[in-house]
Amino acid sequence: KAGVTQTPRYLIKTRGQQVTLSCSPISGHRSVSWYQQTPGQGLQFLFEYFSETQRNKGNFPGRFSGRQFSNSRSEMNVSTLELGDSALYLCASSLALTSPDTQYFGPGTRLTVL
Amino acid sequence: GEDVEQSLFLSVREGDSSVINCTYTDSSSTYLYWYKQEPGAGLQLLTYIFSNMDMKQDQRLTVLLNKKDKHLSLRIADTQTGDSAIYFCAESIGPGGYQKVTFGIGTKLQVIP
Repeated sequence: KAGVTQTPRYLIKTRGQQVTLSCSPISGHRSVSWYQQTPGQGLQFLFEYFSETQRNKGNFPGRFSGRQFSNSRSEMNVSTLELGDSALYLCASSLALTSPDTQYFGPGTRLTVL
Repeated sequence: GEDVEQSLFLSVREGDSSVINCTYTDSSSTYLYWYKQEPGAGLQLLTYIFSNMDMKQDQRLTVLLNKKDKHLSLRIADTQTGDSAIYFCAESIGPGGYQKVTFGIGTKLQVIP
């Protein structure tokens, strides 16, 4: 089975721009979660989608949004980028909502905001 | 509230045991996890424990949970250079299918040959 894939792997943007990141879960997985990883804050939960509906949300401003498609692929969008948005964005997929033994992470998208 | 804390760095010699510690604040956590992250890679689930268990062993890995002190540890026996990575402790909180996972900041394990 192919693992979780994230595209692009690396991205450079400037302040004020917007960005869309993509995550393709493992085949058959219906839950997709997004995390932001920074050296200072560690891993912070952004949101989780299941069956095209956002089921859980972390404490991030409205500039961060996401969606899930009928094939379970998910996209994350950040508008009006700020320098502090530079981070590794990780996506994780699982069979059901946060199943502990079936959550698999992708390699991440490294976003740099200049 | 949710807060997971762990030390930032641990250095051990190859062949020794490593013990990575973690404390959490939310007593309603359902599962507690240990993840491993190697450079340039995503997180890999190493093991997890239900909150009503005290210990779980899986080959070289032993997880100990002290619910009274809200303390979780991961012991790696016979540590190898390939174990060098960042280890994240995490807890999930919430009912049924609406669990939210909170991660610690990660402990960087350095294994000296």
